[in-house]
Amino acid sequence: DIQMTQSPSSLSASVGEAVTITCRASQPISYYLNWYQQKPGKVPKLLIYATSSLQSGVPSRFSGSGSGTYFTLTISSLQPEDFATYFCQQSYNSPRTFGRGTNVEIK
Amino acid sequence: QVQLVQSGDDMKERGASLTVSCKASGYTLTDHGVNWVRQAPGRGLEWVGWISTHYGHAMYAQHLQGRVTMTADISTSSVFMELRSLRSDDTAVYYCARERTFRVGPAEIGYSAMDVWGQGTTVTVSS
Repeated sequence: DIQMTQSPSSLSASVGEAVTITCRASQPISYYLNWYQQKPGKVPKLLIYATSSLQSGVPSRFSGSGSGTYFTLTISSLQPEDFATYFCQQSYNSPRTFGRGTNVEIK
Repeated sequence: QVQLVQSGDDMKERGASLTVSCKASGYTLTDHGVNWVRQAPGRGLEWVGWISTHYGHAMYAQHLQGRVTMTADISTSSVFMELRSLRSDDTAVYYCARERTFRVGPAEIGYSAMDVWGQGTTVTVSS
C-alpha cells in the first residue's frame, strides 16, 4: 500500500497569513494526488484534484503543486472559514490511502 | 442536484452485522464508481472499499476482506455496504463518496477523486 505522510499534523496561523501543508507519498504517484477539507462535524469536501486542479467553487487562494512523491497545498491568505483539517489522498492505485490530516487552527 | 443520501445512524452489538445504504440522485449511478470511507472518533479518513456500479465488482481494504461486501442496485440507484462480525474498532462514521474521473490537460489524462460525499452514517458497536 502507498503510505501518505502529511506535515505538520497541526499548525496555528492568523487570518491573512499564507500556509503550506506538505504530503509525501511512499512511492511515486505522478500527479494522482487530491486534497480534501473537513470542518468539525462536517463531511469532507474535495478541494483539489490531480495535484493542482481546483474543484469547481473552490476559492483561488487554494493552490496545489508537486509531482512524484512530494506535494504541497498552499492557502495564500487564510480566511476564517479555512480553519479546518486538510487531508491528502492518492488515487494512483488501490487501496486509496489518505494522509493523517493537518489541523489548521486560529492563532 | 447531485447528492448521495445515506441511511440513518445505527447501533449494533459486537459480532452483529450492519448494512449502510447510499442512494444517489441527480446523476446516473452507473456513470461513476462509489467508495466507502470511514472515520473513527477523532481520527483520520480510512478507505473501506470501492464498487464499480457499472460492472458490480468491488475492491476492499485488505484488513476488512471477508467481513465486508459492497453491492449496487441500479433499479433504486443505491449502493450498499455490509460489514459483518462487528468489532468495537468498527465504531466510526461511514461515508459513501462518488468517484469521478476528471480529464486533465491537453492529453485529457484521467484523474480520479471523491467529488460528492454522503452525509455520513454513525455506527456505534457496543460491547
